[in-house]
Amino acid sequence: DTAVSQTPKYLVTQMGNDKSIKCEQNLGHDTMYWYKQDSKKFLKIMFSYNNKELIINETVPNRFSPKSPDKAHLNLHINSLELGDSAVYFCASSQGEGLRIQYFGAGTRLSVL
Amino acid sequence: GENVEQHPSTLSVQEGDSAVIKCTYSDSASNYFPWYKQELGKGPQLIIDIRSNVGEKKDQRIAVTLNKTAKHFSLHITETQPEDSAVYFCAASRTNFGNEKLTFGTGTRLTIIP
Repeated sequence: DTAVSQTPKYLVTQMGNDKSIKCEQNLGHDTMYWYKQDSKKFLKIMFSYNNKELIINETVPNRFSPKSPDKAHLNLHINSLELGDSAVYFCASSQGEGLRIQYFGAGTRLSVL
Repeated sequence: GENVEQHPSTLSVQEGDSAVIKCTYSDSASNYFPWYKQELGKGPQLIIDIRSNVGEKKDQRIAVTLNKTAKHFSLHITETQPEDSAVYFCAASRTNFGNEKLTFGTGTRLTIIP
C-alpha cells in the first residue's frame, strides 16, 4: 500500500532513445510533482500538476513532457535521451489549501549510456 | 526566485552527541520551511516542518528554529543514533494555493559514528 509509487525503479538506456517513467499516488492528493536529483544530490523541481492542470514548469528541455491522465497519476516522458539526463527522478504529491506537505516516491534511477 | 543555502555539506558526530544543520533563504515571502531526510536508495521523507508564524518547533529528539529577520533556520538533532545517518535537506516555499514550489538546499550528509 505504497503511498507514492514510481515505475520502473531503475532504467538503463542508450542515448537517443525515448523512455517513460510512471507515477501513481493513492493518497487522494490533488497535486503531483516531478523532481530531478543529480549526482551531487541536488534536488530541483521540474513540473507540478494540480487537478491534472500544469502549474509549475521550470526551465526544462521540451524533450521532457509530463502527462497527467487523472489526479492520481503523473507520468514523465523523455524523448531523445542525452547523457546529461542521467539522474534520479522523484515523483511527489501533496494536498490541501495553503502550505502542503509533499510526499515523495522512492525514485527512478535513470542511466543513459 | 528563492535561493536556499545549506551548511555543512558533510557532518560526522559521535553517537549520543548533537548535530546542527543550518540553512539560509533569500525570499522574505517564504513562509514554510520543511526538513527532509533521505536514506540510501529512498525518496526524501519529511521529518519536521515550521511555518513563519512560529520561532521554534520540537518533536522528540528533533527541533527546528527559525529566525525570520535573519532569514535562516536550523535543524537540531539531540542524542544522535546510528539510524540518524542520512542526507538531510532543508527547503523553503511560499503559500501560493496549488503553485507552491519547494526550493531545496544542497543537502547535508550526516554520519553518526558508533
